Parts: sequence; C-alpha cells; structure tokens
Amino acid sequence: DQQVKQNSPSLSVQEGRISILNCDYTNSMFDYFLWYKKYPAEGPTFLISISSIKDKNEDGRFTVFLNKSAKHLSLHIVPSQPGDSAVYFCAASVRQGGSEKLVFGKGTKLTVNP
Amino acid sequence: GAGVSQSPRYKVTKRGQDVALRCDPISGHVSLYWYRQALGQGPEFLTYFNYEAQQDKSGLPNDRFSAERPEGSISTLTIQRTEQRDSAMYRCASSPRTGNTEAFFGQGTRLTVV
Repeated sequence: DQQVKQNSPSLSVQEGRISILNCDYTNSMFDYFLWYKKYPAEGPTFLISISSIKDKNEDGRFTVFLNKSAKHLSLHIVPSQPGDSAVYFCAASVRQGGSEKLVFGKGTKLTVNP
Repeated sequence: GAGVSQSPRYKVTKRGQDVALRCDPISGHVSLYWYRQALGQGPEFLTYFNYEAQQDKSGLPNDRFSAERPEGSISTLTIQRTEQRDSAMYRCASSPRTGNTEAFFGQGTRLTVV
C-alpha cells in the first residue's frame, strides 16, 4: 500500500528550464509534506517543506505547491542547474497526531543537462 | 560531530548472525529515527526515539529487530539471526526537536546478508 507515490522514476530537463517533480498521496490525514534531495553515496538532505494549511511555499529557486483536494504536490525548480541532478524524494506525515513517522515515495531521478 | 555518523558503512554478514548498527546523531538533537531503504525505493520508517524514549517502533518488521538509545544520544539498531531479506541500506536521521522538523540523514550502513 503505497501511500506516497512518485509515478515518474526519472525526469530529464535542459539547464535553465523548469523542472517539475510530482507526488501524489492517498492518506487524507497527512498534514505535513517534505522534499528531500539525494546525491549518490550520500544520505537524503532536506530541501523544502509545506504544511497542509498552505498551498505554496517558496525558497529561492525551489517552490512546493500543494493541492489538497487532488492529494497532489509538486516541486518546481527554476531555473534548473546541472547541480540539481539528484534523486528527489517526496515525504509526508501526520503531524497533528504527534507521529514522527515520515512516509516516503520511491523517488524521481532528475537529470539537468548542460 | 558535524553530521549524523553511522558505522560501519558496509557490513557483510552470514545468515543467522546478529548485527549491530550504530548511529551517532548530531550533538544536541532530540529526535532520532531509523529507516531502511531497499534499492529503488524510498526510506521506510523503522523506529523513532525522543531523547532515550522509544516512542514509536511500529515500523520494525519483526521481533528480530530492536533498537535502543540508552543515554539519549548514540543509538544502536540490532538485527538478530539475520536473513537475506534483511539486506538493505539502513539509514539513521536526527532532528533538533520534535514535530517533523527537517531530519538530517547519515550516509547509511549497507547491510548484505549472505
């Protein structure tokens, strides 16, 4: 039962263009969402998060959009840079319930071509 | 230390042996998590500590798996009577406070059971 789904295993974009990574979830109790970035041979690093009371959170080149009615969130990277090439994991949790458990998607491998 | 440190980085063990994986979180971090990541998958929650208290162990797959954090700092994940299906990357993460704040992941321990 995959509660957090990243249906695109990979994405390739040109440097300078926008990268859009998508994530869908099934558990309507999720109220906090995070994106992690992972380079080879390293652990995942936190990138950006959003609470369910918001529909958008922006941090520099990174913006996360949340559509609760569609149970969908997306990460936009603009402009994309070759250094953004990594695996991106979407994660979700039920913060209100006091749970510390994060449920991760399978990841999307982003390649930004120079 | 500067980041979450896990040891060993790689562990190969024979089926039936016990293994102990160590996590040294970032100094002062209250929360500590263990995740397991299979190839091509996202991290899967195993257990969570708030200081020395194990507050959620719902992700431990069976009673061969146990974890402790006796002094609220270093944690050990122990797998008894290892089986081949236990082979995975075991990741530890720590967070400065509770409430799903960004968790900092270590590089992981790659466990291979032969």
